[in-house]
Amino acid sequence: GEDVEQSLFLSVREGDSSVINCTYTDSSSTYLYWYKQEPGAGLQLLTYIFSNMDMKQDQRLTVLLNKKDKHLSLRIADTQTGDSAIYFCAERRTSGTYKYIFGTGTRLKVLA
Amino acid sequence: NAGVTQTPKFRVLKTGQSMTLLCAQDMNHEYMYWYRQDPGMGLRLIHYSVGEGTTAKGEVPDGYNVSRLKKQNFLLGLESAAPSQTSVYFCASSYSSGTGAGEKLFFGSGTQLSVL
Repeated sequence: GEDVEQSLFLSVREGDSSVINCTYTDSSSTYLYWYKQEPGAGLQLLTYIFSNMDMKQDQRLTVLLNKKDKHLSLRIADTQTGDSAIYFCAERRTSGTYKYIFGTGTRLKVLA
Repeated sequence: NAGVTQTPKFRVLKTGQSMTLLCAQDMNHEYMYWYRQDPGMGLRLIHYSVGEGTTAKGEVPDGYNVSRLKKQNFLLGLESAAPSQTSVYFCASSYSSGTGAGEKLFFGSGTQLSVL
């Protein structure tokens, strides 16, 4: 199928690490992305990873890619209240119609 | 630098009415997209355009039409609105780098549309 799957909710305490998971479907996807959506706003790119990489780190963010299992994760270290948002993973496919496929989004709630 | 601008931000329609949503980008991007966001369903592509004068259908095109007469503008039209079209609509644009930088999407802030 075409679904990119994510769990809908995640709740963590301030200062803890958050791990948001995503499974995608197309092994030919070249890039995988994490977008953040704050309340009342559009999506903003957080980070992305090329499909031939296993890991990418960017300050508090770590992206892990398991291409064999088609599994992508986003780890946020030292999670802050400002990290509360909806996080979307997306894959950019090279096969079929040119388009991005977005996951359902994971709503992260950070408890003070 | 405004980025991607959507108008209007909110709109309420009655069933059967028509309207046009406007998206404008000032980044000289070739590609533009219209998505709708519904709870628990993520973003679904309605229509997209790979350049001025071209449009193509996405995943959920029925009930919508689009036009890209100018490179910077991408219009989404609803000819006869239905309650099922109640949603948040996002416009996005991207460049085509052709390199390892990836083709990230730049989003507008969305239009909340309610059809009664």
